[in-house]
Amino acid sequence: EDQVTQSPEALRLQEGESSSLNCSYTVSGLRGLFWYRQDPGKGPEFLFTLYSAGEEKEKERLKATLTKKESFLHITAPKPEDSATYLCAVRIVKAAGNKLTFGGGTRVLVKP
Amino acid sequence: NAGVTQTPKFQVLKTGQSMTLQCAQDMNHEYMSWYRQDPGMGLRLIHYSVGAGITDQGEVPNGYNVSRSTTEDFPLRLLSAAPSQTSVYFCASTLLAGGTNTGELFFGEGSRLTVL
Repeated sequence: EDQVTQSPEALRLQEGESSSLNCSYTVSGLRGLFWYRQDPGKGPEFLFTLYSAGEEKEKERLKATLTKKESFLHITAPKPEDSATYLCAVRIVKAAGNKLTFGGGTRVLVKP
Repeated sequence: NAGVTQTPKFQVLKTGQSMTLQCAQDMNHEYMSWYRQDPGMGLRLIHYSVGAGITDQGEVPNGYNVSRSTTEDFPLRLLSAAPSQTSVYFCASTLLAGGTNTGELFFGEGSRLTVL
């Protein structure tokens, strides 16, 4: 069964305290891993696409990396405005169709 | 640029009532989808469509119907609401590349549904 698991469920950081979020997956037919950010009361917003093991993408204080079984979202020197829920998703392409399956998310709170 | 528009934002139903959640996008996206988001469960795919007249089931399709008569609209129908359908519903769309969704979904703001 295709599974996407994110850890930890919640993360409390002091401003400037770097950390990493994990997204592990056991799927067949994987065609890409995606990271999203979701603010309270809003829909998720796309951040990154990763396709191959070893690939890295960066945006401001965020860097996403990918291995064969998991992805990490590194937050460097976070600021309070980085507080959000971060979601990862995998795109599964099979003969029966194509869909995006999401993990449960990691809630990040950055305190000043 | 409106993007993905969902209506209503909030709705309270009684068990057994029916309703339709509306979703419209103005980006000419072929791929549209509906997700529900519940605490601790993440986003779960209900139904999706790769074009007008084409729909398919996701992970949790039971109790929901969809249709796609135009590229822009993808309504989600609850025929007989149940308390288990209390959730936040998100519509999302994206382009297709080689018949596959690009993975870069554009989401609406969500519709919060409570079934009593």
